Amino acid sequence: LAKTTQPISMDSYEGQEVNITCSHNNIATNDYITWYQQFPSQGPRFIIQGYKTKVTNEVASLFIPADRKSSTLSLPRVSLSDTAVYYCLVGGIMYSGGGADGLTFGKGTHLIIQP
Amino acid sequence: DAGVIQSPRHEVTEMGQEVTLRCKPISGHDYLFWYRQTMMRGLELLIYFNNNVPIDDSGMPEDRFSAKMPNASFSTLKIQPSEPRDSAVYFCASRDIDYNEQFFGPGTRLTVL
Repeated sequence: LAKTTQPISMDSYEGQEVNITCSHNNIATNDYITWYQQFPSQGPRFIIQGYKTKVTNEVASLFIPADRKSSTLSLPRVSLSDTAVYYCLVGGIMYSGGGADGLTFGKGTHLIIQP
Repeated sequence: DAGVIQSPRHEVTEMGQEVTLRCKPISGHDYLFWYRQTMMRGLELLIYFNNNVPIDDSGMPEDRFSAKMPNASFSTLKIQPSEPRDSAVYFCASRDIDYNEQFFGPGTRLTVL
């Protein structure tokens, strides 16, 4: 299983751009990179997923360099409500009978946004 | 769809008692996952099902834990007998076969005294 490493915690201020980097040195060819967000007392929520280069949606951007050994989740102009735990997962698309790749959440990155 | 539904939301029990957690996945989803979350260990996968069949239960901590999925709309996670170290938040999630996005329920906060 591809293992990920991300910072335990980060803090920033409202209106700033926040970048959270995840290392996954042994990512496999068919692995995707997926990020989830978790607020206190709630289950994780999918944010974004990518395979290479850049992916952007209404919430965040995901930057993946050519070697794919790391990825960066970028949150533009954060607000207090972005305070949450962010998880980076790496694994393949699961088809019927597939393995548990991409299901290792770990402890995530605790992002704290201050006014 | 109401999303993934879990019950109960909170449970407090005494050591040695049997605990049953319930989950109703999103209709049409092929995969169902059970996770456990603690401060010490983070969010851990316990077991997952594909089309009601258990695929990987390597995360189940010990024989006291068991999970079933008798049909596509219902799953249970049972702990018998429960111990204080089982205290955690237990999440159920479901997923469509064609997408990697998991949808999580609100969780069950279990406290074993």
